[in-house]
Amino acid sequence: QVQVVESGGGVVQPGTSLRLSCASSGFTFSSYAMHWVRQAPGAGLEWVATISFDGSSVFYSDSLKGRFTISRDNSKNAVFLQMNSLRLEDTAVFYCAKGGSSSAGYFESWGRGTLVTVSS
Amino acid sequence: QSVVTQAPSTSGTPGQRLTISCSGNTSNIENNYMYWYQQLPGTAPKLLIYRNNQRPSGVPDRFSGSKSGASGSLAISGLRSEDEADYYCAAWDDSLRGWVFGGGTKLTVL
Repeated sequence: QVQVVESGGGVVQPGTSLRLSCASSGFTFSSYAMHWVRQAPGAGLEWVATISFDGSSVFYSDSLKGRFTISRDNSKNAVFLQMNSLRLEDTAVFYCAKGGSSSAGYFESWGRGTLVTVSS
Repeated sequence: QSVVTQAPSTSGTPGQRLTISCSGNTSNIENNYMYWYQQLPGTAPKLLIYRNNQRPSGVPDRFSGSKSGASGSLAISGLRSEDEADYYCAAWDDSLRGWVFGGGTKLTVL
């Protein structure tokens, strides 16, 4: 069955960087878009970034202002989120999701999430 | 404030039929597919409805989706206590070139 498992979360100070990883299995990874979605404590879902099946197209939430970068390694069935210049308001659970198609497809299957806490 | 809006909360009693609505605009819901996600307390979101009205395998037929113009709704019939959750709508936004979520509706089963 489809599995996506996030890792790399933790407690970091404002202004620092963190790289999240998402390991996938149970489907042909190289055929599907992948997404990152976050959820701040007590808040709703916020889309972060999407990468197409081959990495040729990437999309980001305007709210990130260029601080985050999504990438993928199809040879390792993994997608990554590089987060720079972290702010207190980036504190959230970050979910990785399998896309429903090859391009910007919807969020078909979700991981359990990894918690990022930005605190001084 | 999200460009896609939902009522923050709703409630119903067991066995009741209930609808949760979502309102957007031409850039998102009207010209693109609409999706619904269920988030049970303390868990990750789960896809409930895709492409306006399609149910993934395993989702009970008590859940149904519909869309008309720039608005859509999720209907839950035969409400059960285990349906108590947060429900989010989502759509691609052509103007923002990104995905937008509604703010979520918290369903309480009385």
